[in-house]
Amino acid sequence: GAGVSQSPSNKVTEKGKDVELRCDPISGHTALYWYRQRLGQGLEFLIYFQGNSAPDKSGLPSDRFSAERTGESVSTLTIQRTQQEDSAVYLCASSWGQGAYGYTFGSGTRLTVV
Amino acid sequence: QKEVEQNSGPLSVPEGAIASLNCTYSDRGSQSFFWYRQYSGKSPELIMSIYSNGDKEDGRFTAQLNKASQYVSLLIRDSQPSDSATYLCAVRETSGSRLTFGEGTQLTVNP
Repeated sequence: GAGVSQSPSNKVTEKGKDVELRCDPISGHTALYWYRQRLGQGLEFLIYFQGNSAPDKSGLPSDRFSAERTGESVSTLTIQRTQQEDSAVYLCASSWGQGAYGYTFGSGTRLTVV
Repeated sequence: QKEVEQNSGPLSVPEGAIASLNCTYSDRGSQSFFWYRQYSGKSPELIMSIYSNGDKEDGRFTAQLNKASQYVSLLIRDSQPSDSATYLCAVRETSGSRLTFGEGTQLTVNP
């Protein structure tokens, strides 16, 4: 596609429920990244995919968080048993190669856990 | 110590002035540096990249890099109200492909 597409744009969920966030990268971009941004804060790295493998998942905050990617296409970030501290904007980005020229972000998914 | 630090904001400048945004980083081997602009409620947008020591100009924007001092800056000349946003400094780690971001500096340009 022309840009990085994320869905849903907004998600309100009850504490304890599971949620799935989707990211569709720019066509041909082999690298895909997930970041989290809490209100008024900077970007917190979660996980990086190169193709469908994840060489760096060191930013996932707990085992409630997982992500997968199908080939060089769509990625899904899953948060199980959501907690209020999971409330944030989840940003997906993609890039050519290994991101030496920066990357392009999607519009994000705003997750609110009530 | 934070890996990427930006000068604390918010920064307020009058329209037409030069806005100066600063960033320091801890990974001495880093080779790629980026400035992103983030409007309120929007996602970050890449506005400048720099890889070599010195200055790089693009329109009203100039990025400056000093690897010896581990310092990156962004100058915005003839600031406009539309430049009001949070500016994020990002550094590509030598050990991998991820970008590490600073906390951002909020810039307000007053008409």
